[in-house]
Amino acid sequence: EAGVAQSPRYKIIEKRQSVAFWCNPISGHATLYWYQQILGQGPKLLIQFQNNGVVDDSQLPKDRFSAERLKGVDSTLKIQPAKLEDSAVYLCASSLGGAPQYFGPGTRLLVL
Amino acid sequence: AQRVTQPEKLLSVFKGAPVELKCNYSYSGSPELFWYVQYSRQRLQLLLRHISRESIKGFTADLNKGETSFHLKKPFAQEEDSAMYYCALRLIYEKLVFGKGTKLTVNP
Repeated sequence: EAGVAQSPRYKIIEKRQSVAFWCNPISGHATLYWYQQILGQGPKLLIQFQNNGVVDDSQLPKDRFSAERLKGVDSTLKIQPAKLEDSAVYLCASSLGGAPQYFGPGTRLLVL
Repeated sequence: AQRVTQPEKLLSVFKGAPVELKCNYSYSGSPELFWYVQYSRQRLQLLLRHISRESIKGFTADLNKGETSFHLKKPFAQEEDSAMYYCALRLIYEKLVFGKGTKLTVNP
């Protein structure tokens, strides 16, 4: 079925390296979310887009994280430089509006 | 800041027994509350939201504003209900805040 797509599924990098994640939401979904889920915790919102505009990025560590959603469709999340505490699963989700409804499989990042 | 508490990290019941996953929140206004579920090796998915007052897969959840709770209940648990369950809260025009989750295991 056509759902939220994410790549890569796994990534291992060393600290201070950079990494990028990609997300393709469900077609027609205006709202796109990036969440960070650290082991043992619930997902934490990093950034929320409405079409190609940012709705909420209050919890995005802007000194190292950046995200864009050009053309209001797919999105990339970048970390540069990575720290050990960035090891987590990065989830992308989309919805027509309101709360996130459909999640991608996630990207598991390990920073060594 | 709003907070969501799921007091049980792990919950184990036998098949056919009633199950209740607890969720408490700290906010005095009128939040929206949700339950999300993640089955093993599957994606996180929305299970139900309080405004729809629906029953999904036999689960129901009632918002109790007096006790600031939104417990998830099912009268007869099934083995396929074993999963990670997250309670989440959202204020109008605010972001969704998740609890830490409860891992439910339904034993045969």
